[in-house]
Amino acid sequence: KAGVTQTPRYLIKTRGQQVTLSCSPISGHRSVSWYQQTPGQGLQFLFEYFSETQRNKGNFPGRFSGRQFSNSRSEMNVSTLELGDSALYLCASSPTGGGEYEQYFGPGTRLTVT
Amino acid sequence: DAKTTQPTSMDCAEGRAANLPCNHSTISGNEYVYWYRQIHSQGPQYIIHGLKNNETNEMASLIITEDRKSSTLILPHATLRDTAVYYCIVRVFSGGYNKLIFGAGTRLAVHP
Repeated sequence: KAGVTQTPRYLIKTRGQQVTLSCSPISGHRSVSWYQQTPGQGLQFLFEYFSETQRNKGNFPGRFSGRQFSNSRSEMNVSTLELGDSALYLCASSPTGGGEYEQYFGPGTRLTVT
Repeated sequence: DAKTTQPTSMDCAEGRAANLPCNHSTISGNEYVYWYRQIHSQGPQYIIHGLKNNETNEMASLIITEDRKSSTLILPHATLRDTAVYYCIVRVFSGGYNKLIFGAGTRLAVHP
């Protein structure tokens, strides 16, 4: 079974621009979560989607948004990019909405904002 | 979710057992202990989880104290490929939410 895939793997953007990152979960998984990892703050939870609905959200500004499609693929969008948004963005998928399953992480998208 | 405390870094000789401790003194009765690891710049990898009984799988063993306030992840025969940051996480094992709260983790260095 293929793992979680994320595209693109690397991205360079300029301050003020917006960016869209994509995540394809493991086949059959319906829950997709997004995380941001920076050297200063570590791994932080952004939000989780299940059956096209956002169920849980971390403490990030409204510039960070996401959505999930009917095939469970998910996208996250960051608008009006700031230098501090430079980070590794990870998505993770899980079979169901329940906490009884571990989450499987993708390789991440490394975003650099200049 | 309860907070966890882990040592910042540890060393281990290749072939020896690596014992990584975690303190979770405020853990609740319905919270499980999960362990993930992250090899440099890759996505975190699930290792093992448990509630109160000791658990073992092909990767590691998890020993949870009787009062559940601490646990130890054991890699029985560490290899150079086990060099990574190891995260101990406690989370509610009920339906509905897949949110992991990561701490700083323990940076394990396995040396020849």
